[in-house]
Amino acid sequence: AQSVTQLGSHVSVSEGALVLLRCNYSSSVPPYLFWYVQYPNQGLQLLLKYTTGATLVKGINGFEAEFKKSETSFHLTKPSAHMSDAAEYFCAVSDIPHTGFQKLVFGTGTRLLVSP
Amino acid sequence: TAGITQAPTSQILAAGRSMTLRCTQDMRHNAMYWYRQDLGLGLRLIHYSNTAGTTGKGEVPDGYSVSRANTDDFPLTLASAVPSQTSVYFCASSDEVKAYNEQFFGPGTRLTVL
Repeated sequence: AQSVTQLGSHVSVSEGALVLLRCNYSSSVPPYLFWYVQYPNQGLQLLLKYTTGATLVKGINGFEAEFKKSETSFHLTKPSAHMSDAAEYFCAVSDIPHTGFQKLVFGTGTRLLVSP
Repeated sequence: TAGITQAPTSQILAAGRSMTLRCTQDMRHNAMYWYRQDLGLGLRLIHYSNTAGTTGKGEVPDGYSVSRANTDDFPLTLASAVPSQTSVYFCASSDEVKAYNEQFFGPGTRLTVL
């Protein structure tokens, strides 16, 4: 069964500092990996996704993530945090099980706090 | 375009009462999903629909039912609400049933069952 582990339910950074949010996955097949962001009182919005090809994936708002198969990781980074980056971030792995629907398995989320 | 709309935004419901959460998308997506979000548990799939006229059970379907009479609408019904169904409910959709496809999410409905 596929699973996702996000290390750290809360991460605090100062404005301008590096953002690193960790995600490790478990998958029996080549994974499709996603990072979603949820701003307060809103739905989830796609930041970026890895399907195949280049392992460094660039997303919106200056975020990027690197797929490392040997480490089963898909960590999210941003060189310089902005106050507007404060949100909850979810890593997810996707599959099509035998029942024939897109199964998105989410991690438990990491809340990013940005201080001035 | 509006994308996905959900109604109501929030609701307080007495235990034992029934309620239908509404979800409408204007993207003509084939697949739709209902998730619940609980603190520390992330999002969990309740029901899904790959196309109009078909539905299926997700990870936590008990106590919930869905229908998909047309492409745009995917209502979620709680027949007899219980306090453990207090949660934030998100509707989502995707163009096709592909593992690499993005799912688009609505703004959510916050439900409190007392």
